[in-house]
Amino acid sequence: KNQVEQSPQSLIILEGKNCTLQCNYTVSPFSNLRWYKQDTGRGPVSLTIMTFSENTKSNGRYTATLDADTKQSSLHITASQLSDSASYICVVSAHNAGNMLTFGGGTRLMVKP
Amino acid sequence: GAVVSQHPSWVICKSGTSVKIECRSLDFQATTMFWYRQFPKQSLMLMATSNEGSKATYEQGVEKDKFLINHASLTLSTLTVTSAHPEDSSFYICSAHRGGSSYNEQFFGPGTRLTVL
Repeated sequence: KNQVEQSPQSLIILEGKNCTLQCNYTVSPFSNLRWYKQDTGRGPVSLTIMTFSENTKSNGRYTATLDADTKQSSLHITASQLSDSASYICVVSAHNAGNMLTFGGGTRLMVKP
Repeated sequence: GAVVSQHPSWVICKSGTSVKIECRSLDFQATTMFWYRQFPKQSLMLMATSNEGSKATYEQGVEKDKFLINHASLTLSTLTVTSAHPEDSSFYICSAHRGGSSYNEQFFGPGTRLTVL
C-alpha cells in the first residue's frame, strides 16, 4: 500500500531560526515528490517538485532534498518568518497511477516572534 | 500561469439543500480534475477523479449520488453536494492536472468552505 509519513506532526520555532521537516514514503513505482505549503483555509501551494534523479531543489528559503534509495525527503526552512506558519504537506506521485497523488499527514509549523 | 479558481470560497446552507461548487482552470486546459475533502487538522482526502466528457471515478466510501460531479469542459468541473447534512461540513479543494510537463503536475484551487446548519 502506498503511504507517505511525515514528522514531526507539529513544530513550534522562533522567528529567524531554521527547521527541517521529514517525509518517508513507500510509493512505488516512484514518479515524483512534491512539497506543498498550505495556509489555514487555503489550498495547497507548490514549493518544490523532484523526480527520481533530483537530489535537491531550492525555492527561496525552502530547500528540499530527496534520497530515492532510502525513500526519504526533507524540507529545510532557513531564517524562518512569521508567514511561514502553515501546514507543510509531502505528496508523492506514482507512475501509471492515473495522476493520483499520495498525501502525507502534514507538519503544522508555527513560527513565533 | 496554471491558476485554478473555485467558487464560492465559502458557503453556508441549511440541512437538506444542495450546494454546487465550481472549479475552473483559468489559463490551461485540464482533461482531469480532482476533488478533495479536508477536515480540520487533517490532510486532503481524495473524493473523486473527474475526466472531461466522461463519468467521474469515486473513491471507496464516497457516495456518487450524494456528491455529483460534472466535468463538462476542459476548464470547468463542478461538485454538487446534494441534500447536505451537517456532517458534510468541510473544506472542499479541487485540483487540475496540466499535462505535457515531466512532473505530471496538479494545481490546486483555493478551496471552498462548506458549513451546513
